[in-house]
Amino acid sequence: QKEVEQDPGPLSVPEGAIVSLNCTYSNSAFQYFMWYRQYSRKGPELLMYTYSSGNKEDGRFTAQVDKSSKYISLFIRDSQPSDSATYLCAMMTGGYNKLIFGAGTRLAVHP
Amino acid sequence: GAGVSQSPSNKVTEKGKDVELRCDPISGHTALYWYRQSLGQGLEFLIYFQGNSAPDKSGLPSDRFSAERTGGSVSTLTIQRTQQEDSAVYLCASSLAPHPYEQYFGPGTRLTVT
Repeated sequence: QKEVEQDPGPLSVPEGAIVSLNCTYSNSAFQYFMWYRQYSRKGPELLMYTYSSGNKEDGRFTAQVDKSSKYISLFIRDSQPSDSATYLCAMMTGGYNKLIFGAGTRLAVHP
Repeated sequence: GAGVSQSPSNKVTEKGKDVELRCDPISGHTALYWYRQSLGQGLEFLIYFQGNSAPDKSGLPSDRFSAERTGGSVSTLTIQRTQQEDSAVYLCASSLAPHPYEQYFGPGTRLTVT
């Protein structure tokens, strides 16, 4: 079993929809939770990071972490065609600097 | 400011040849990471450099892989005697030491071994 599980999709939604992306994990030592966006043939771009449990909002993006359930989510409000990309969740323990990535979810927002 | 840069952007090599991939981190970032992204495997950690400390090589898949970082800045990832399973996108990232969770990635080098 992988440390981080993420549904690869693809996920197809109409413009303006609310998108929910999720990851589950098994390592309770993870303390930092990140979301990256990756466009085709580009490097991953850091969207948001959250420390421990709770919510964090940045514009149309909201990240949620539920450590008791080992479950994290990224919500995208008012989705746009420019949001079409692969979204990767990543996690890190407190004392170790490597990121552990999910497989990525491919999102398509159609006009 | 300038982001992480990597060269070459694409590399095609024959099986058995050696390749060198280069990474220029963001100026002032003391931590540098190499990851590999391949179909079916996702993004996997290879190696981590922090300042003058010994690198964390725990993710290197075999002794054909090595990396160095000169002068605390530029890094080179070397793959010797390349195999077809080495075909992947090799990504470099950098971060400030106090914020390892904020890693900024370069565009990657797409390696194809024929």
